[in-house]
Amino acid sequence: QQPVQSPQAVILREGEDAVINCSSSKALYSVHWYRQKHGEAPVFLMILLKGGEQKGHDKISASFNEKKQQSSLYLTASQLSYSGTYFCGTEGNSGYALNFGKGTSLLVTP
Amino acid sequence: GAGVSQSPSNKVTEKGKDVELRCDPISGHTALYWYRQSLGQGLEFLIYFQGNSAPDKSGLPSDRFSAERTGGSVSTLTIQRTQQEDSAVYLCASSFTGYEQYFGPGTRLTVT
Repeated sequence: QQPVQSPQAVILREGEDAVINCSSSKALYSVHWYRQKHGEAPVFLMILLKGGEQKGHDKISASFNEKKQQSSLYLTASQLSYSGTYFCGTEGNSGYALNFGKGTSLLVTP
Repeated sequence: GAGVSQSPSNKVTEKGKDVELRCDPISGHTALYWYRQSLGQGLEFLIYFQGNSAPDKSGLPSDRFSAERTGGSVSTLTIQRTQQEDSAVYLCASSFTGYEQYFGPGTRLTVT
């Protein structure tokens, strides 16, 4: 089942922070985050495997609450290069096949 | 090294015709995935190959869709009797670990 992402879109000024949420109605084994820039292929950001685990990638970090079946992506001190569409992918019992959300469009302006 | 490649990059076809989309994964990657991305939608899982195991076809939307992977490498996604709702970008990804997926540039399919 497709996870639900919120918000659908967000506009930031450079240096501001943002949070993107991803929730599922099914038990999750892992959550994957990808970023897709316009006209390009999605690029892997990070994977979270355990409940409450937090990971970081430059100034982008994420958490995964296994019990709540939710994950959040945190972008701090946003840069222009952060603009793009962020997708969360969730893995249930089907091995490594991911169900992706509809994406969150992020635009960082000068 | 070379990334995931897909061909053709663009395909325009008439309704009712069959199309074949090709994916060349990164050498050594045992996992291969096909996704479909429609305008404003997320990435819709279609099919997953892992090594010599039977593929996970649970995402294929109808029996008009099929895929094969020859020799554990190149994969072909075939859509028979195409319909206008099949228009989308078809993305292929490969992975070695099953975690980080490397996506190809996609094939934009337009059914007229």
